[in-house]
Amino acid sequence: NAGVTQTPKFQVLKTGQSMTLQCAQDMNHEYMSWYRQDPGMGLRLIHYSVGAGITDQGEVPNGYNVSRSTTEDFPLRLLSAAPSQTSVYFCASRGQINYGYTFGSGTRLTVV
Amino acid sequence: AQSVTQPDIHITVSEGASLELRCNYSYGATPYLFWYVQSPGQGLQLLLKYFSGDTLVQGIKGFEAEFKRSQSSFNLRKPSVHWSDAAEYFCAVAPPSRYSTLTFGKGTMLLVSP
Repeated sequence: NAGVTQTPKFQVLKTGQSMTLQCAQDMNHEYMSWYRQDPGMGLRLIHYSVGAGITDQGEVPNGYNVSRSTTEDFPLRLLSAAPSQTSVYFCASRGQINYGYTFGSGTRLTVV
Repeated sequence: AQSVTQPDIHITVSEGASLELRCNYSYGATPYLFWYVQSPGQGLQLLLKYFSGDTLVQGIKGFEAEFKRSQSSFNLRKPSVHWSDAAEYFCAVAPPSRYSTLTFGKGTMLLVSP
C-alpha cells in the first residue's frame, strides 16, 4: 500500500498564480484533511472531508478550495497564490474506526 | 473549541537519559489524545493514542504516555533516549465524536546530545 501520496513535493509559484496540490490515498479512508505547517505554529487545519461529496472549512480556509469527487482523492486548490501561503502542506486520512490519521510526506510551497 | 499547549519549544536531553515531553489540553470532556513525531523533512508518524481505559498508553519506538484527567495532561515519556529520537514532537486532540478533526499543539523540538 502506498498510503497517502502527495504531489508535487516542492513547488515555487509567483504571486497571483493558481495551482492544485494533489492528495490520494489507497486505504479506502472516509476522512481526509489538509493542514499547513508554519514554524512555531504547529499544524493548522485548512479544509476537511468526511466522505465523497462532503467538505467543510477548518481553521484557516481563506484562499483555498477543495472538492471530494472520489473517496481516494482530495485536491487542494490555491486560487490566487500569496506570499502568506508559503508553507508546508500536509494531507492526512483516517478510517472510520481507527482514529490514527495517516499523513502524506508533504508539499513544500514557496510563493514569491 | 479544544486547544493544546506544549509548554516547551525546545528540549535537549543527553543520549541515554530519560525524556518527558509535556502536553496540556483544554476541552470540556475527555478528548481523544495523540502524539506524533516528525523527523526533518518528513511527514508525521503516529507514536501512540488514547481513547479510553488504561491511562498509561504504550506506543512505538519505546514511547509511552500517561493521561491524567485531573491535570488535563497527556505527557510523553521514554526511559532512555537514542540519538535517532531527535525530531519534533506534536501532541494533538480530537473531540470524541465520529466527525471530529485533530487540533495540534505547536510542537516540541527534541535535541539529543552525545
